[in-house]
Amino acid sequence: DARVTQTPRHKVTEMGQEVTMRCQPILGHNTVFWYRQTMMQGLELLAYFRNRAPLDDSGMPKDRFSAEMPDATLATLKIQPSEPRDSAVYFCASGLRSGTQINYGYTFGSGTRLTVV
Amino acid sequence: EDQVTQSPEALRLQEGESSSLNCSYTVSGLRGLFWYRQDPGKGPEFLFTLYSAGEEKEKERLKATLTKKESFLHITAPKPEDSATYLCAVQSETSGSRLTFGEGTQLTVNP
Repeated sequence: DARVTQTPRHKVTEMGQEVTMRCQPILGHNTVFWYRQTMMQGLELLAYFRNRAPLDDSGMPKDRFSAEMPDATLATLKIQPSEPRDSAVYFCASGLRSGTQINYGYTFGSGTRLTVV
Repeated sequence: EDQVTQSPEALRLQEGESSSLNCSYTVSGLRGLFWYRQDPGKGPEFLFTLYSAGEEKEKERLKATLTKKESFLHITAPKPEDSATYLCAVQSETSGSRLTFGEGTQLTVNP
């Protein structure tokens, strides 16, 4: 089965440190998302890309978060400096969009559980 | 702004006891309504997409239906392995590829 691969699975870091999360989307998918999940807020969209170009990053605190797709096989989400309120599970998802419809939903990775102490 | 509300927040069933989960939505032009299943420690797993009112889709013990204001996920004769959080999400004409998720319904099926 094709899958979205995220690394690391778990990350514990101290406040103020830089955190980089990586995602390998499914080959052939043209849309890549970063979501954050917390008990209080549920799943929130941080940013997404189409054909590697950023389309929407309005959900990200731009002073500390950045998202990039250096190539079609890698998406990164970086937090610098990290804060305790960033503690959450960060999910990458990929999908194939043609026209206005999303074909077959999106495939999510297993997530990176981030704890900032 | 797209809004999705799921109810109940949590549901406990006995094995074989059928029930339904609700997803109410408010969007400016629905492009698609999505159901996902999420197990603890894992990412959401895609179940169904519904595109227009009246549409239905089935997979094993699950059936999803859609009206102009809500969607139901019917679970027939559930088994313990159906225990999970079920998430509903919408894509609208104004949201691009963005999905807006509900808070989910945590389903527990007791043997």
